[in-house]
Amino acid sequence: DIQMTQSPSSLSASVGDRVTITCRASQTVSTYLNWYQQKPGKAPKLLIYAASSLQSGVPSRFSGSGSGIDFILTISSLQPEDFATYYCQQSYSTPFTFGPGTKVDIK
Amino acid sequence: EVQLVESGGGLVQPGGSLRLSCAASGFTFNTYWMNWVRQAPGKGLEWVANIKQDGSGEYYVDAVKGRFTISRDNARDSLYLQMNSLRAEDTAVYYCARQSLYCSAGNCYSGIDYWGQGTLVSVSS
Repeated sequence: DIQMTQSPSSLSASVGDRVTITCRASQTVSTYLNWYQQKPGKAPKLLIYAASSLQSGVPSRFSGSGSGIDFILTISSLQPEDFATYYCQQSYSTPFTFGPGTKVDIK
Repeated sequence: EVQLVESGGGLVQPGGSLRLSCAASGFTFNTYWMNWVRQAPGKGLEWVANIKQDGSGEYYVDAVKGRFTISRDNARDSLYLQMNSLRAEDTAVYYCARQSLYCSAGNCYSGIDYWGQGTLVSVSS
């Protein structure tokens, strides 16, 4: 199975900050990499698919990059509604493993 | 509007069984792969299983293989998860989720684009 790691596990940031979250796969997943946002008590929301494609309706301040084993999620200017936990997920092969998550909270 | 509504969760003793259901609406159910994803209290997301559009293919995480069975009834627009030999570590919110395919330049990528509200399964004596 492909293992996913994320760093950092948590971060504190202010509104307007640029935030980057890193995801690493234990073997290549090409660009079969998704990013999700989850707020407390809510279901996750798909932000990015295919490593860099923005899901419909997601603000353009979210962007993704990377291929192979290393990926980055960037929030260009953090907004109050962006405080949440972010997960990467590989869809290269089953089981479609998730990373452990990165919690973004208010500084 | 796409809706996924889970039911069937509850408290069960270790070794017991439970069957989760998911009623889908607002889209053509039989054209999508469907998934179950779970989240233990205070923990991260764990992909559990998925099933092909016509039910002819199923895939599972190792932790549930041989104990859980995913199935679907396309006539009823419904997804199921039969859970047997339940363990304490199966305690989680279980989400029913739709998997979409995004195709470009000959490649197709999967992403889970719609999720239910989740149903809580608690395994405890």
